[in-house]
Amino acid sequence: ETGVTQSPTHLIKTRGQQVTLRCSSQSGHNTVSWYQQALGQGPQFIFQYYREEENGRGNFPPRFSGLQFPNYSSELNVNALELDDSALYLCASSTGAERANEKLFFGSGTQLSVL
Amino acid sequence: SQKIEQNSEALNIQEGKTATLTCNYTNYSPAYLQWYRQDPGRGPVFLLLIRENEKEKRKERLKVTFDTTLKQSLFHITASQPADSATYLCARTGANNLFFGTGTRLTVIP
Repeated sequence: ETGVTQSPTHLIKTRGQQVTLRCSSQSGHNTVSWYQQALGQGPQFIFQYYREEENGRGNFPPRFSGLQFPNYSSELNVNALELDDSALYLCASSTGAERANEKLFFGSGTQLSVL
Repeated sequence: SQKIEQNSEALNIQEGKTATLTCNYTNYSPAYLQWYRQDPGRGPVFLLLIRENEKEKRKERLKVTFDTTLKQSLFHITASQPADSATYLCARTGANNLFFGTGTRLTVIP
């Protein structure tokens, strides 16, 4: 078990609604990354936060936004939900050092269903 | 585009045998490859990292190889056990993120 916790574990929303997912990083980690994992696929990078600043973004539209707080916890917000947003959303924390080869510590994810 | 591919969607193997999973990459040379294990409904768990100048890395019953000529990494589990049943993901490192393959679902049959 990692020290990364995510809430809620499951969520059901309807198309057009907005959702906020939360993540507490592992103690000592200052970097949080968010990934989207569709059924049968590998995780896809959404964005990363390092010391409260966005530090890289994948190929996701602006309606996916995030925050990182002084305690390094993080939120992922998704506006105007679409059916294709249904997926497992994973939060991963890391130390931020040695970026090229750092391993990630993942939470158990939030399963989002958009109806 | 720079792709990372795990060609086998699923692999069934008898308990006690060696499981070998394949990860291929095209159009680039990653400096590092990582392997993760993912159980249903859980997040991936880091297993091993291998650098491009390392031919092989081991951890207990796990072994990873990196062949830059074939553009391939192989992941081996020796003396496989039913508890090894899971999805295994390979990933290459980007500037500040990982690019994952689609994973191989391994089932070890008692």
